Amino acid sequence: GIQVEQSPPDLILQEGANSTLRCNFSDSVNNLQWFHQNPWGQLINLFYIPSGTKQNGRLSATTVATERYSLLYISSSQTTDSGVYFCAVVRGNTPLVFGKGTRLSVIA
Amino acid sequence: DGGITQSPKYLFRKEGQNVTLSCEQNLNHDAMYWYRQDPGQGLRLIYYSQIVNDFQKGDIAEGYSVSREKKESFPLTVTSAQKNPTAFYLCATTNRDTNQPQHFGDGTRLSIL
Repeated sequence: GIQVEQSPPDLILQEGANSTLRCNFSDSVNNLQWFHQNPWGQLINLFYIPSGTKQNGRLSATTVATERYSLLYISSSQTTDSGVYFCAVVRGNTPLVFGKGTRLSVIA
Repeated sequence: DGGITQSPKYLFRKEGQNVTLSCEQNLNHDAMYWYRQDPGQGLRLIYYSQIVNDFQKGDIAEGYSVSREKKESFPLTVTSAQKNPTAFYLCATTNRDTNQPQHFGDGTRLSIL
């Protein structure tokens, strides 16, 4: 099946810093989603982005489907950005396949 | 996400007991999914259902069972055959026909007494 790799696995940032998280996938996909899991375990949709670029406040995402990767940009990070960021992809009619996540800690 | 209700939030199980986790949705989504998450790990698919009265095994279905008698409901039973059930369980839904993004409930934390 399709493989999803996320990097880096862990990231520590000073508040106010910018960061880029990467998601590589092994085959063509119909859908790609970025999620944020907060410390309480809630999984929040950030972006639904099979291709192109989207922005939502301090967050933006770019997916280059032909090269099989997606990037999540976090600018001016805040402590509330801490948590785990997951990338997940769908190929055909199959369920989402998740990467192992990037654990982000933003310190004041 | 709003529209997906998982209950209870916390559940304790004695050895040898079956327990059932509830997942209800009012989003009118066709597909529903159950995932398991162990501490510090990603999500692994247990079972999924794309239409009523039909469901498929995911990657780690052993020791679990499901039913899909109604579009709104997809309960997960953790049986006594599941030897290491302590985990965080997440339910998700989507409307596959329109290729909508997947939405998640707030999860149930299951622990063994």
